[in-house]
Amino acid sequence: NAGVTQTPKFQVLKTGQSMTLQCAQDMNHNSMYWYRQDPGMGLRLIYYSASEGTTDKGEVPNGYNVSRLNKREFSLRLESAAPSQTSVYFCASSQDGRNTIYFGEGSWLTVV
Amino acid sequence: GENVEQHPSTLSVQEGDSAVIKCTYSDSASNYFPWYKQELGKRPQLIIDIRSNVGEKKDQRIAVTLNKTAKHFSLHITETQPEDSAVYFCAASGSYQLTFGKGTKLSVIP
Repeated sequence: NAGVTQTPKFQVLKTGQSMTLQCAQDMNHNSMYWYRQDPGMGLRLIYYSASEGTTDKGEVPNGYNVSRLNKREFSLRLESAAPSQTSVYFCASSQDGRNTIYFGEGSWLTVV
Repeated sequence: GENVEQHPSTLSVQEGDSAVIKCTYSDSASNYFPWYKQELGKRPQLIIDIRSNVGEKKDQRIAVTLNKTAKHFSLHITETQPEDSAVYFCAASGSYQLTFGKGTKLSVIP
């Protein structure tokens, strides 16, 4: 039982490049989330998927897109990376929006 | 939407002393309040949670209290140890997701 698995763990991008962060959970959770964490800013929600087939914007969605591929997988795409997107990205899942969230190990992204 | 305020942003205590972190929330419909601990370079992990039908919950050296009328909840750590040093986040359930406070960096001085 791996929990929440996200890849890659580390990535360096050049400004304007695109990339996709992959996330999968094996807990049969309905809800999945993408957060970014910057120093002093806490955890900010980028997008979430309350259930398979639905996605919604969070607090900081600009510059990102998501896909809920199936119940297990929720990917985050940066179409044209910018230095302001340098951050640590956490994928997470929960049974629903009013229960414990379990986080992946994080993806450290640097945009130069 | 939900808004969660967390104080203080940094807290230093001597080993063996108690630490208290406080959070307020805005949405009176919120009914789930977890606390997460994040060690440096690691993921946030749940340490304790409380639901709105309970006023207090304890787990060994940590406890959480909830005042629904005042819309605030607090984390209490007693007999602090160096391994308690970390960033702690409170959160409150909104409509479809948790909203997090900005975190408290706790330093326990040996």
